[in-house]
Amino acid sequence: SSELTQDPAVSVALGQTVRITCQGDSLRNYYASWYQQKPGQAPVVVIYGKNNRPSGIPDRFSGSTSGNIASLTITGAQAEDEADYYCNSRDSSGNHWVFGGGTKLTVL
Amino acid sequence: EVQLVQSGAEVKKPGESLKISCKGSGYSFTSYWIGWVRQMPGKGLEWMGIIYPGDSDTRYSPSFQGQVTISADKSISTAYLQWSSLKASDTAMYYCVRRCGTRPQNWFDPWGQGTLVTVSS
Repeated sequence: SSELTQDPAVSVALGQTVRITCQGDSLRNYYASWYQQKPGQAPVVVIYGKNNRPSGIPDRFSGSTSGNIASLTITGAQAEDEADYYCNSRDSSGNHWVFGGGTKLTVL
Repeated sequence: EVQLVQSGAEVKKPGESLKISCKGSGYSFTSYWIGWVRQMPGKGLEWMGIIYPGDSDTRYSPSFQGQVTISADKSISTAYLQWSSLKASDTAMYYCVRRCGTRPQNWFDPWGQGTLVTVSS
């Protein structure tokens, strides 16, 4: 079982806002990073740290943390955002990393 | 351009050994940790372990300790993941990743393209 818990599936209407969450005790001490994976492709980082986007990631992606819950928000979801999303952070020991179980995002 | 390029797909039989590779370019290979991630067919991402090529300091996820060996050859900017005796359950896509940032803010970028390992009799 993962130390980071994500909802298995979330859906959003085209153009609407969706929040994907990641819960874990280690998030009180370490920031999460978020990865988007489309079918047949390697994951790509979309958010890291407090709320940082790598170059090339649209500004509709944002991140936040409150207590032990990290969130990835997509404001104005597009069809191309349909993908699996994974959070990652250090584990409770701080010595290893762990992924959440992943959230499959469907854009309706 | 920072890149991690992995070795090609492998098909092996149970009990065989295997070593796959991940070559870094476009940055100082010895200055960044390189991690390995497993993705079994239709499943999520699993953290396996990480190595610092500068001094070969290696950390394994408890789930993978003793199951695989992670190493690096800094002279050719290449990290490795190896098995001494493969099992059918090792069938998966394996990604290498570069660790960026410092505590409490780390992330992994870029990712290698993945190496598909198939173990079947």
